[in-house]
Amino acid sequence: ETGVTQSPTHLIKTRGQQVTLRCSSQSGHNTVSWYQQALGQGPQFIFQYYREEENGRGNFPPRFSGLQFPNYSSELNVNALELDDSALYLCASSRSYNEQFFGPGTRLTVL
Amino acid sequence: GIQVEQSPPDLILQEGANSTLRCNFSDSVNNLQWFHQNPWGQLINLFYIPSGTKQNGRLSATTVATERYSLLYISSSQTTDSGVYFCAVGGAQGAQKLVFGQGTRLTINP
Repeated sequence: ETGVTQSPTHLIKTRGQQVTLRCSSQSGHNTVSWYQQALGQGPQFIFQYYREEENGRGNFPPRFSGLQFPNYSSELNVNALELDDSALYLCASSRSYNEQFFGPGTRLTVL
Repeated sequence: GIQVEQSPPDLILQEGANSTLRCNFSDSVNNLQWFHQNPWGQLINLFYIPSGTKQNGRLSATTVATERYSLLYISSSQTTDSGVYFCAVGGAQGAQKLVFGQGTRLTINP
């Protein structure tokens, strides 16, 4: 059984640019959730996708958007990057409302 | 929304010691997970325990849902147990988002 994978592992962008992060869910999982973890903090929920529909959103502005594809993989897009967007971005997959399994994360640095 | 509080924030122990990490939450939950975050940032699943008691080797966990707390026990600590431990809960309604505590940083000295 393949676990959750994320790409890229690291990314450096400049303020104002746009970025796309990718996540492949674990086999058999239909729900993907995205989290942002700032340094020294616990992860914060961004949004969740269930069967290709957004199924809940945290306190993040509209410039954070996402997609889920028919194979349940997912993308997180962030427009107009700000310095405070520098963080570890974590993707988690699950079977509906069950235990969530996390990928290794993408570390984004905004200069 | 649900609030999650973990204690202690930091814990420093000698190898071989036992430890207890606590997680308090403010509302009913239908999901509670304990994670260990490794130095590279990956969250490793330890327990999925919305209620009851589970054991896995030197680790065990207990959640008392009616009193809104969970405990993670680590026995005979090893240096490889060092890292940050997170408790995360999912509410009874809506999207199954996880709300994380601030974590407990555990340091095991040889």
